[in-house]
Order: sequence, then structure tokens, then C-alpha cells
Amino acid sequence: ETGVTQSPTHLIKTRGQQVTLRCSSQSGHNTVSWYQQALGQGPQFIFQYYREEENGRGNFPPRFSGLQFPNYSSELNVNALELDDSALYLCASSFSGGIGQFFGPGTRLTVL
Amino acid sequence: KQEVTQIPAALSVPEGENLVLNCSFTDSAIYNLQWFRQDPGKGLTSLLLIQSSQREQTSGRLNASLDKSSGRSTLYIAASQPGDSATYLCAVRSGNQFYFGTGTSLTVIP
Repeated sequence: ETGVTQSPTHLIKTRGQQVTLRCSSQSGHNTVSWYQQALGQGPQFIFQYYREEENGRGNFPPRFSGLQFPNYSSELNVNALELDDSALYLCASSFSGGIGQFFGPGTRLTVL
Repeated sequence: KQEVTQIPAALSVPEGENLVLNCSFTDSAIYNLQWFRQDPGKGLTSLLLIQSSQREQTSGRLNASLDKSSGRSTLYIAASQPGDSATYLCAVRSGNQFYFGTGTSLTVIP
């Protein structure tokens, strides 16, 4: 059974650019959630996808968007990057039966 | 809106000591509560999950309790080891939203 993987590991962008982060769910999981974790803070919930539909969203603007694919892999897209978007972005997969979430290693995004 | 608080923010203990980490939440209408460990710059490792109908869960030297009515959970670590040094985060699920505390940074001194 493979765990949750994320790519890339690190990324540097400039303000105003767009970025796409990728996540592969753990085998058998049909739900994926994305989080933003600023330095020294707890993760902040961005949104959750279940069977390719968004079914929960935190307090993030529309320039944060996502996709979930039929194989349950997922993308997080962020448009018009701002300096405050610099953070560790975490993906977590789970099964809708509520067994809890399993996290990937994260993507460290730096916006200059 | 659900708010999750963890106390203390940082804790330093000598090896072998038993310790308790605290997590409180403002809305008792939760689906479950999960404790995680995070090493610097890394992702989160799940430690224990407590469903809303449960009172506690145990795994090895770890024991987590949940008192939903008072909005509290504790993580008890027995016989602490230097390898336990990390940040410990609790997270509650309310509906389809997930809320994390800011974590407790634990240092176990050899």
C-alpha cells in the first residue's frame, strides 16, 4: 500500500505568477484535503474533494482552486501569487468512512 | 466557527518523564479528533484518532482522551524518549471542515 505523495518538494515563484501542486492519494482513499501551513502555525484547511467534487472549503479566496481526478489524485492551483502565500502546502487523503487523514510530506512554496 | 487551542505552546522535559499535552475546542459538535506529530519541515504523522462517540484511544506509550462536552482532549505520553521530540498537533473535524491547533513543541532532553 503506497502512502500519500506530493510534488514538487520545493518551489520558488514570483509574485503574480500561478502555481500547480500535485498530490497522489493513498491507495483506496477517495477523499483529499489541502492545507496551508505558515511557519510556526497549525495547518489551515483550504478545501476538500470527494469523488471529484469540492465538498468543503475553508476561508481562502477563489484564486485557490483544485481538481480531483478519477484516480483520486489531486491538484491545487493558486493564481496571482502573493508574498503571504509562502508556506508548506499539505495534502491529506482519507476514506469517506471517517478513519482519519493521512498526510503527504508537503510542498514548500516560496513566493518572492 | 470552531477554534482549537493547544497548551502549552512549548514543553521541555527530561527523558523518562510522563507528560500531558492539552487540546481544547470551542464547538462540541465534532465528528472526530486526531492527534498528529510533525517533525521540522515535514508532513504530519497520524498518532491517534478518536471518534466522537469514543472516550479514549491507546497506541503503545500514547493515550489520547476526549471529553466532547467540555471541549477537551489530552495526549498522554509515557516514559518520554528523545525521539519523541517534535511538534504535536490536534485536529478536529466539524462537518466537512478540519481545524488544527497551533501545536505543542516538545523537547525531550537526554
